[in-house]
Amino acid sequence: AQKVTQAQTEISVVEKEDVTLDCVYETRDTTYYLFWYKQPPSGELVFLIRRNSFDEQNEISGRYSWNFQKSTSSFNFTITASQVVDSAVYFCALGSTGTASKLTFGTGTRLQVTL
Amino acid sequence: NAGVTQTPKFRILKIGQSMTLQCTQDMNHNYMYWYRQDPGMGLKLIYYSVGAGITDKGEVPNGYNVSRSTTEDFPLRLELAAPSQTSVYFCASSYSSGPYSPLHFGNGTRLTVT
Repeated sequence: AQKVTQAQTEISVVEKEDVTLDCVYETRDTTYYLFWYKQPPSGELVFLIRRNSFDEQNEISGRYSWNFQKSTSSFNFTITASQVVDSAVYFCALGSTGTASKLTFGTGTRLQVTL
Repeated sequence: NAGVTQTPKFRILKIGQSMTLQCTQDMNHNYMYWYRQDPGMGLKLIYYSVGAGITDKGEVPNGYNVSRSTTEDFPLRLELAAPSQTSVYFCASSYSSGPYSPLHFGNGTRLTVT
């Protein structure tokens, strides 16, 4: 069975602080995919990044960066110099090869960025 | 581009009533999904479809039915609403099979069953 754990239920930071959202996953598959989605207060889910199990390179996109470590089964997400617009619920998700994108989602981390 | 469109945005049902949540996408995606999001929980897959005429159960299908008569539309039907079905429902689509194709989500339907 697959499992995604986001132990941080809620994080509050002041604008311009850096913040890291943790994601730990469990799977028996050798090929799998990890995702981060953002759910702003408006409610929609927005795709942020996908990473496959064979690519452990870290990725940076503007103020966002992702650290994938197979040795610890973690796929952490860091926001540098946070902004109020980053306030949202962030979901980590895990998928395996198969006939459809049947993702297993974590319970989400609510990030509150204040002035 | 409209993307994935869900209607209605909000609905209140009485126990035992039925309703259909509508979902349509204009991206010509073959793969479509219904997820539910309970408070403080991640999303759970209800049903999915890999193409017109083909549907299959996800993790939590009980109490729901789906159909896929066209590529664009993937309605979700609740036959006998129960309080346990109070949730936010998301429809999603993807270009291809496998989890390497990111999901495009609709804005959700917030359903309350009282």
